Amino acid sequence: GAVVSQHPSWVICKSGTSVKIECRSLDFQATTMFWYRQFPKQSLMLMATSNEGSKATYEQGVEKDKFLINHASLTLSTLTVTSAHPEDSSFYICRGPTDTQYFGPGTRLTVL
Amino acid sequence: AQSVTQPDIHITVSEGASLELRCNYSYGATPYLFWYVQSPGQGLQLLLKYFSGDTLVQGIKGFEAEFKRSQSSFNLRKPSVHWSDAAEYFCAVGPPNTGNQFYFGTGTSLTVIP
Repeated sequence: GAVVSQHPSWVICKSGTSVKIECRSLDFQATTMFWYRQFPKQSLMLMATSNEGSKATYEQGVEKDKFLINHASLTLSTLTVTSAHPEDSSFYICRGPTDTQYFGPGTRLTVL
Repeated sequence: AQSVTQPDIHITVSEGASLELRCNYSYGATPYLFWYVQSPGQGLQLLLKYFSGDTLVQGIKGFEAEFKRSQSSFNLRKPSVHWSDAAEYFCAVGPPNTGNQFYFGTGTSLTVIP
C-alpha cells in the first residue's frame, strides 16, 4: 500500500520552456503532498508542501512563481517548473504524508 | 530550528564487516525518525522508522537503528554488510505537529569492498 507514482520519470527540455511533473497517490487520498529537490550527490531539500484545494506552502528561498504547485484532487499534485534554466536541472521527488512515509520514484529533469 | 547531522560523508567497509552510520538531530521534542537508502539514480526506499516505544527498531534488509534520547541520536547498524548495500543513506527527522514535514541529513555514501 501507500504507493506514489511520478510522471515522467525523466525529461529533457530546452532552456526557457516549462515542464510539468505529476505526483499521484495510487491507493490513498492525500490532502497534503511534499515536493523535494535533490542535486547530484547532495541531500533532499524540501521545496514546498502542496495542499489540496488551497495554495501551496513554499520553503524559504524557493521561488513560488517559478515552481508552480497545484493540488487539484486528493490523488494528484503537480509541480510545474516555469521558464526552466540549466540550474533547475535536478531530481524532483514527491512524498505523501508522514503516516505513509513513501516517496515517489523521482523525476530527473535536465534543462539544456 | 530542527536539524539533522550525518557526520560521516563517506564510509568504506569490507563485505561481511559490521556497519554503523551515525545520525544526530536537534529538536526540542522527540521527532519521528527515519532511515532511507538511495541507489544511484533511484528513488528512496524506507529502511526503518521510529515514532515511539521500543528504542531499538528493526528494519528491512537486516538493518536496525537505536534511538537514544540522551544523545539525540538515531544510528543505523547492520551486523554484516553485503556488497548490495553500497548506496547513499539518509537520516530524516519529522518533527510532530508541523504538518508532517520532515527534513533530511546530508547523507552518507557507503562503499563495500570485497
